[in-house]
Formats: sequence, structure tokens, C-alpha cells
Amino acid sequence: AQSVAQPEDQVNVAEGNPLTVKCTYSVSGNPYLFWYVQYPNRGLQFLLKYITGDNLVKGSYGFEAEFNKSQTSFHLKKPSALVSDSALYFCAVRDGYQKVTFGTGTKLQVIP
Amino acid sequence: NAGVTQTPKFHILKIGQSMTLQCTQDMNHNYMYWYRQDPGMGLKLIYYSVGAGITDKGEVPNGYNVSRSTTEDFPLRLELAAPSQTSVYFCASTPGVLADTQYFGPGTRLTVL
Repeated sequence: AQSVAQPEDQVNVAEGNPLTVKCTYSVSGNPYLFWYVQYPNRGLQFLLKYITGDNLVKGSYGFEAEFNKSQTSFHLKKPSALVSDSALYFCAVRDGYQKVTFGTGTKLQVIP
Repeated sequence: NAGVTQTPKFHILKIGQSMTLQCTQDMNHNYMYWYRQDPGMGLKLIYYSVGAGITDKGEVPNGYNVSRSTTEDFPLRLELAAPSQTSVYFCASTPGVLADTQYFGPGTRLTVL
């Protein structure tokens, strides 16, 4: 069975500092990996995805993620955090049959 | 183009009652999903559908039923509501092209008392 782990319930970072939100996964076959963001009382919004190709994926709002096959990780990064980045972030993995598994989410708090 | 819409936004249900959560998408997506989100638990897949007339169970289907008579609509039925079904419910859709992203509705916050 596929799974996603987000080891940190919350990440605190000062505004202007780089941020990393961690994600590791387990899936049979090639992984299709996603990051979504959720603002309070809203549905999830797509940030970026890895399908194949370059291990560094660029997405919306200046976010990027690095795919590491040997470590089965897909960490979300941003060079300079904004207060408006504060939200709940979900990592997800999809198998070849459209079944998606989400992690438990990481709350990002950017401190002014 | 409204995307994925869900009704109602909020609802309070009594134990043992039944209700249907509505989900509609206007993007002609083949695949649709129902998730529940509990605090600290992430999203759990309840049911999904790969096209009209086809549905399948996800991780937590007990206590729920779905139908997919049209491409646009994917209602979720709660029979004999229980307090454990208190949650936020999200509907999502995707075109069906492999590895495509999901589009989420705004959610329905359901409380069972």
C-alpha cells in the first residue's frame, strides 16, 4: 500500500528566511508526487507536481520541490518565506490507478 | 466556469438522520473523489469514481454511499449518521489524464450531534 509521511506537524520560520517542509513517500512503481496548500476554511489548492524529468520542480508562489529517489523524499522549499505563506501544506502521492494518498499535513507559520 | 461546487457549506445533523452532500463540477472531468478531513489526520479517501456509472471504495467507505449518474454530479449519502462522521468533507475532480492534478471544492463542514 502506498503511504506519505510528513514528519513535522508544524514548521516555524522567520519572514525572509528559507523554508523547508518535509515529505517522504512509499509507492509501487513510478511515483507521481504533489504538493497542495490549504488556507483556513478553504479547499486544497495545487502548488506543484513531479511526474518525471528534472528532480527540481518549480511551482506556484515561488515554491519548489526536490525529488530524491534514493531517499524517497519530495521536500517543499522556498528561498524566502512570506507571512502570507502561512497555511497548511499537504504532500500527496498517486499510483497508476488514480488513487491518491495524502499526508497528514504540516502547518507552516511564518513569523514577521 | 465555477469549477467544483459543494452544498451545503455547513450542516448539523442529529444521530441516526440521513443526508446527502452534493458535489458538482463543470469541467467535464471523468474522475471524482470524496474525502473527509479530520484534525491532524490529513485527508482520507471515502469513495471515488472514474466515470458515470462507476464508483469504487476508498480507505474509509463505511457509513457512506455514492452514485454517479452523470459526469457532473457525485453526491455522497450518509445513512444513519453517527458522531464519528463529524468532519469536513471535500469533493475533488480530475480530468483523468494520468498524474493530473485534483481540483477541490470549498468543503462541507458537517457536525453530527
